[in-house]
Amino acid sequence: GENVEQHPSTLSVQEGDSAVIKCTYSDSASNYFPWYKQELGKRPQLIIDIRSNVGEKKDQRIAVTLNKTAKHFSLHITETQPEDSAVYFCAASNAYSGGGADGLTFGKGTHLIIQP
Amino acid sequence: ETGVTQTPRHLVMGMTNKKSLKCEQHLGHNAMYWYKQSAKKPLELMFVYNFKEQTENNSVPSRFSPECPNSSHLFLHLHTLQPEDSALYLCASSQELGSYNEQFFGPGTRLTVL
Repeated sequence: GENVEQHPSTLSVQEGDSAVIKCTYSDSASNYFPWYKQELGKRPQLIIDIRSNVGEKKDQRIAVTLNKTAKHFSLHITETQPEDSAVYFCAASNAYSGGGADGLTFGKGTHLIIQP
Repeated sequence: ETGVTQTPRHLVMGMTNKKSLKCEQHLGHNAMYWYKQSAKKPLELMFVYNFKEQTENNSVPSRFSPECPNSSHLFLHLHTLQPEDSALYLCASSQELGSYNEQFFGPGTRLTVL
């Protein structure tokens, strides 16, 4: 099955600086890579996702890059703000697994702390 | 609100108790999921249902028993649990399986097993 590794487990950055979270995956058949944000005491929510036919995707201050050859993908947050403080989870799945493991395989999460 | 609700939000039970967790989605989705979230661990997929049919059981112990009477409701029946089963149990739903579908999560049930 799929295995997703995520680093770092904790990341502290100054407000206004950039933050980068990295994930690697093991199953070369995975083709869908979402990122979820979970604020303290709240449910995970999708913030951005990328498909395997794209190398980079951007949405305002957040961007995700994907390197299929190396099987790793990263989340980039620029101009960080206090409301970016949360736990971020990367995930991977095979969107066309044909009835197999259709749930997401998540990384362990990164606790992002924005220092004022 | 994401349209996925879970009850109860908090549950404390003894190892000999039987209880059930309930999830309901109001999004018209066809796929529903149970995840377990423990401290310092990734979200662990437990069960997947598509159109009320179970498509995935991720080696979950039999003391957890899912039930999906229709596409909008999902239950997790609990019996003779262990203290290590204490965790946040999250339900999620998506439009369908086998595609690039966002999963919408419920608020979770915080379970404590004494």
